[in-house]
Amino acid sequence: TQLLEQSPQFLSIQEGENLTVYCNSSSVFSSLQWYRQEPGEGPVLLVTVVTGGEVKKLKRLTFQFGDARKDSSLHITAAQPGDTGLYLCAGAQPGAGSYQLTFGKGTKLSVIP
Amino acid sequence: DAGVIQSPRHEVTEMGQEVTLRCKPISGHDYLFWYRQTMMRGLELLIYFNNNVPIDDSGMPEDRFSAKMPNASFSNLKIQPSEPRDSAVYFCASDSGGAGELFFGEGSRLTVL
Repeated sequence: TQLLEQSPQFLSIQEGENLTVYCNSSSVFSSLQWYRQEPGEGPVLLVTVVTGGEVKKLKRLTFQFGDARKDSSLHITAAQPGDTGLYLCAGAQPGAGSYQLTFGKGTKLSVIP
Repeated sequence: DAGVIQSPRHEVTEMGQEVTLRCKPISGHDYLFWYRQTMMRGLELLIYFNNNVPIDDSGMPEDRFSAKMPNASFSNLKIQPSEPRDSAVYFCASDSGGAGELFFGEGSRLTVL
């Protein structure tokens, strides 16, 4: 089983600050996804990255897939209270399709007004 | 459009009792997944179905767990007998084949006393 390590585990910041969270593995993934989960709800897909070195932007969120497809980062600019939640990364094993996703344990983000 | 619907949202039961969790996937989605989420282990894939057929149940912890999908609009996950260590949030998710985008339900929080 391929493992995904997410860091930091917890992050508490003030509104308006920037932050970066990380998702690392020693294994290669064919694609990587980021989800956000709010309390009492299921995870919601934010983005999928498939190419090494790929960068995707979603408003104030910037996602990057490492060149070797073993790691990824999520950068949030000018964080807002609505960004609060659990951020999960999930990797698809090469050759197994997206149906064998391995999830990290997540980074719990709190943005304080 | 309705998302993935799970019931019950909360279940409290005593050790040894049978538990049944239910899921209605998004209409037209041909993949259905059951996940379990705990603080210690994060999100774990238990089993997934394609066109109502179980494809991979290697994540099912033991014989006490079983899952069925009698038709395209319904699946259930049963635990018999339940144990305190089964306490977790159980998520159902569906996907339209090939898209690799999981849509999660709101989860069923199970507490086994």
